Amino acid sequence: AQKITQTQPGMFVQEKEAVTLDCTYDTSDPSYGLFWYKQPSSGEMIFLIYQGSYDQQNATEGRYSLNFQKARKSANLVISASQLGDSAMYFCAMREDRGNNRLAFGKGNQVVVIP
Amino acid sequence: GAVVSQHPSWVICKSGTSVKIECRSLDFQATTMFWYRQFPKQSLMLMATSNEGSKATYEQGVEKDKFLINHASLTLSTLTVTSAHPEDSSFYICSATKANPSGGVRETQYFGPGTRLLVL
Repeated sequence: AQKITQTQPGMFVQEKEAVTLDCTYDTSDPSYGLFWYKQPSSGEMIFLIYQGSYDQQNATEGRYSLNFQKARKSANLVISASQLGDSAMYFCAMREDRGNNRLAFGKGNQVVVIP
Repeated sequence: GAVVSQHPSWVICKSGTSVKIECRSLDFQATTMFWYRQFPKQSLMLMATSNEGSKATYEQGVEKDKFLINHASLTLSTLTVTSAHPEDSSFYICSATKANPSGGVRETQYFGPGTRLLVL
């Protein structure tokens, strides 16, 4: 069964606007972590933000925030004030405490920021 | 910081040759390194988990004799694609987690820049 689901098609976003990238996950492990990575065309995977399953508050890192809804098993990424450099693939990933530190990735969301 | 390097960044080789890819953690010690493969417009697929000083753990469907992994030190893991064929052409990317983590699932994986392999 797929652990991480990202189903949005490619998205065009106007510069300076906010964009929300959807991510739902599936786990029976009570302890897990959720990550978002950015992959520009160069291929490198850039860590953006982390949310732990026991964290009480939604994670924020600069222009990135994570809308964590535990009961719905969703961990949507919000990018505020989009910049041209935000154009990339965005991957949601989960690591379960029982998973030997392995990350399960979603299929990714393509974002293109237009001026 | 947490910088991971990979070498080479790209390689073109003839079918039947072996290719070695290095993954190094530059400013931290990594007890665990991971090797992924990514085909165009697809997600990352975990190939194996590499622990320093022990044998790698391969994911189901990944041939351990085809993809040899060595993790000889806390800062270096190597992936050797043996007798490479055109279907092995892909983007190979490694990641590393820091030694002595603070605990639990909080440990972030830091990724290298990847290696593009083209087998002719």
